[in-house]
Amino acid sequence: EIVLTQSPATLSLSPGEGATLSCRASQSVGTYLAWYQQKPGQAPRLLIYDASNRATGIPARISGSGSGTDFTLTISSLEPEDFAVYYCQQRTNWPLTFGGGTEVEIK
Amino acid sequence: EVQLLESGGGLVQPGGSLRLSCAASGFTFSSYAMSWVRQAPGKGLEWVSTISAGGGTTHYADSVKGRFTISRDTSKNTLNLQMSSLRVEDTAVYYCARAQSSVWTLFDSWGQGTLVTVSS
Repeated sequence: EIVLTQSPATLSLSPGEGATLSCRASQSVGTYLAWYQQKPGQAPRLLIYDASNRATGIPARISGSGSGTDFTLTISSLEPEDFAVYYCQQRTNWPLTFGGGTEVEIK
Repeated sequence: EVQLLESGGGLVQPGGSLRLSCAASGFTFSSYAMSWVRQAPGKGLEWVSTISAGGGTTHYADSVKGRFTISRDTSKNTLNLQMSSLRVEDTAVYYCARAQSSVWTLFDSWGQGTLVTVSS
């Protein structure tokens, strides 16, 4: 099973600041990594797939990068609606696995 | 508009059974693989099971293999999850998720979830 480790667990930032979230895989997943956003009481939403491709309707301030075992989700300038929990997910091997999540909270 | 509406959650005793359903609309259900993903209270996401568009291929997490069965009814546009031998650790919100086009393993639309509580 591929283990995904996300860091930091919590990121405390102010609106307008940039955010950098990390996801590290226990073995190479190529570029088969996705990012999801989840707000309290809501279902997750797909943001990024295959490491760097934005899903439909995702704004350009949100971007993904990386390959192999190290991946980054970057939010260039935080909007109020960006404060949420973010999960990475690999789709290279079964079982599909998610990281433990990074919460981006308002400072 | 894609809509996924889960139902069937509730309180069940350890060792009991429960059947979850997900009613799909707004897309051609028979063309998409579908999955169940769960989230224990206050915890992260855990993939549970995936079924191919045609229903002929299924995958399960080790934690549920042999206890849960995923199925789909194309005539009713419904995804199902039959859960048996339930354990306290199966307590979670269960989400139905649609695969992104031909990519089985990516979830581009999600339902709002149904809560399953396993407790005596």
